[in-house]
Amino acid sequence: QAVVTQEPSLTVSPGGTVTLTCGSSTGAVTSGHYPYWFQQKPGQAPRTLIYDTSNKHSWTPARFSGSLLGGKAALTLSGAQPEDEAEYYCLLSYSGAHVVFGGGTKLTVL
Amino acid sequence: QVQLVQSGAEVKKPGASVKVSCKASGYTFTSYYMHWVRQAPGQGLEWMGIINPSGGSTSYAQKFQGRVTMTRDTSTSTVYMELSSLRSEDTAVYYCAPLGRVGYWGQGTLVTVSS
Repeated sequence: QAVVTQEPSLTVSPGGTVTLTCGSSTGAVTSGHYPYWFQQKPGQAPRTLIYDTSNKHSWTPARFSGSLLGGKAALTLSGAQPEDEAEYYCLLSYSGAHVVFGGGTKLTVL
Repeated sequence: QVQLVQSGAEVKKPGASVKVSCKASGYTFTSYYMHWVRQAPGQGLEWMGIINPSGGSTSYAQKFQGRVTMTRDTSTSTVYMELSSLRSEDTAVYYCAPLGRVGYWGQGTLVTVSS
């Protein structure tokens, strides 16, 4: 089974920019992995921010964007706000309807 | 508006089974595969499997093969996830989520396995 890797923790200053990444043990992440990004705050259900690499939902703040970067999926937060402090998870899809979550990145806004 | 309403919390003994329901509304139920995801206390998200509400086909994570069964009832737009041979490590919040363009998640169902 593939392993999906994320940075365990990152810190960003208010108003700053940070990029979270999502890698695959099988090689480069491509659009064919249909990368997703989720935000989860303590005690809440996850919220989908990005689907299919870069598509946003109506509720996704404009400061979040998804892309492919250096063989990984990436979530960039530009202009961090205190309310962006949360756990962020990526998800990748593999052939055979095999789906794997990354271990999550704890983002601190400080 | 899209809603995914899950059944209530459950307490089960080791070895028992649990069946969690997820009733969908506000979108075309048969157009989006439904994922089941769980989260043990203090842990990350874990993908369990997926069901196609249209034809009923399923795909399960290897870890749960033989213990999980996902079904659906198109007449009520409801999907079900049944997990058998429960053990303490199955204590978790279980979520349903169609993902894709729908993007919403159910509110979660806490399943506690304890003797």
